[in-house]
Amino acid sequence: DAKTTQPPSMDCAEGRAANLPCNHSTISGNEYVYWYRQIHSQGPQYIIHGLKNNETNEMASLIITEDRKSSTLILPHATLRDTAVYYCIVRVPLRDYKLSFGAGTTVTVRA
Amino acid sequence: KAGVTQTPRYLIKTRGQQVTLSCSPISGHRSVSWYQQTPGQGLQFLFEYFSETQRNKGNFPGRFSGRQFSNSRSEMNVSTLELGDSALYLCASTNRVDEQYFGPGTRLTVT
Repeated sequence: DAKTTQPPSMDCAEGRAANLPCNHSTISGNEYVYWYRQIHSQGPQYIIHGLKNNETNEMASLIITEDRKSSTLILPHATLRDTAVYYCIVRVPLRDYKLSFGAGTTVTVRA
Repeated sequence: KAGVTQTPRYLIKTRGQQVTLSCSPISGHRSVSWYQQTPGQGLQFLFEYFSETQRNKGNFPGRFSGRQFSNSRSEMNVSTLELGDSALYLCASTNRVDEQYFGPGTRLTVT
């Protein structure tokens, strides 16, 4: 019962921006969009989250459409170390205590 | 700021044995969650501890147990190991705004 849809894979050139889309057409009003990534055989890494406004931190930017049915994670200058599986999830903070990842998007950054 | 640490990083055990895994959360984080990750089942929630109390529990048999100490460090124990318990066990430390930060995981192999 996936709440988000992501492309299975994408390639990106090193130094270029990587734009990762996520569809969450059934998102409810109190659900936030969260992004995590997991580099092979390591623990997932929190990237960013947002409700409706665009968010930016030192790792990435999150652009959420006005209707909140989709979002895009932007890695501004991809490096080889950004090669990972990226997961987009929706959840209500402080209520949805467990994380559940779908298949995610496997991002390969090429030199 | 130090991240979440988990020990040991790798472990090989035999069927029927028991194992204890340890997690030290980020300083100041009082909530610790445990997950099991396998290629087939993905990320599965085990349990969450807050202030030494188990606050939420996933759908795992009683062989899986945990506890949290007054310094927020947590342990999980699996008794009577089965081959299917081979997995990456992840600990996540949660801050006050519900951002979850994962440790590197413990890779358990049951032979």
